[in-house]
Amino acid sequence: QVQVVQSGAEVKKPGASVKVSCKASGYTFTGYYMHWVRQAPGQGPEWMGWINPNSGGTHYAQRFQGRVTMTRDTSISTVYMELSRLRSDDTAVYYCARDNAIVVGFDYWGQGTLVTVSS
Amino acid sequence: EIVLTQSPGTLSLSPGERATLSCRASQSVSSTYLAWYQQKPGQAPRLLIYGASSRATGVPDRFTGSGSGTDFTLTISGLEPEDFAVYYCQQSYSSPTYTFGQGTKLEIK
Repeated sequence: QVQVVQSGAEVKKPGASVKVSCKASGYTFTGYYMHWVRQAPGQGPEWMGWINPNSGGTHYAQRFQGRVTMTRDTSISTVYMELSRLRSDDTAVYYCARDNAIVVGFDYWGQGTLVTVSS
Repeated sequence: EIVLTQSPGTLSLSPGERATLSCRASQSVSSTYLAWYQQKPGQAPRLLIYGASSRATGVPDRFTGSGSGTDFTLTISGLEPEDFAVYYCQQSYSSPTYTFGQGTKLEIK
């Protein structure tokens, strides 16, 4: 069965970077784009960008360009999202989500990773 | 950027009633690229509806999506206790960029 498992919670200081991992199993890893979505406390989801695990190609939301990097390691079916120059308003739960191009929606989500930015 | 505006912000209903949730896009969106998600506290969003009107695997038939152009609707007929949650619409028409609506909270009256 399809599973998407993320790394654990992180606490970072302002100005630092965080790297969250997302390990996929139960399907062909290179066959589906993976997106990153974050959700600040009490807010709706905010789309951050995607990575094509096959080619490594990426596209980022404009507001994160220059601060976010998405990568993948096909040998272990894992994608990563690194966010730099963290600010307090980056405190959020970060999710990876599989893009099913057939149903055109995010059909499997990771459990979420809480990133807390605090001095 | 296509902005999705959901209304109402909060909807208070009783079990058994019918819920109607709205999602309005700032420009026309092909229905193929409009999805709805349900989110419960402490959980990741769950895909409910894709292509504006197709139910995802395992979604009960009391959930119905409809609409086209700039106006889309999620209807829940005969609310069950487990349906009280927050609902989000999402568009991927402007791919490679995607957006979510701000959500409608469905609460028990």
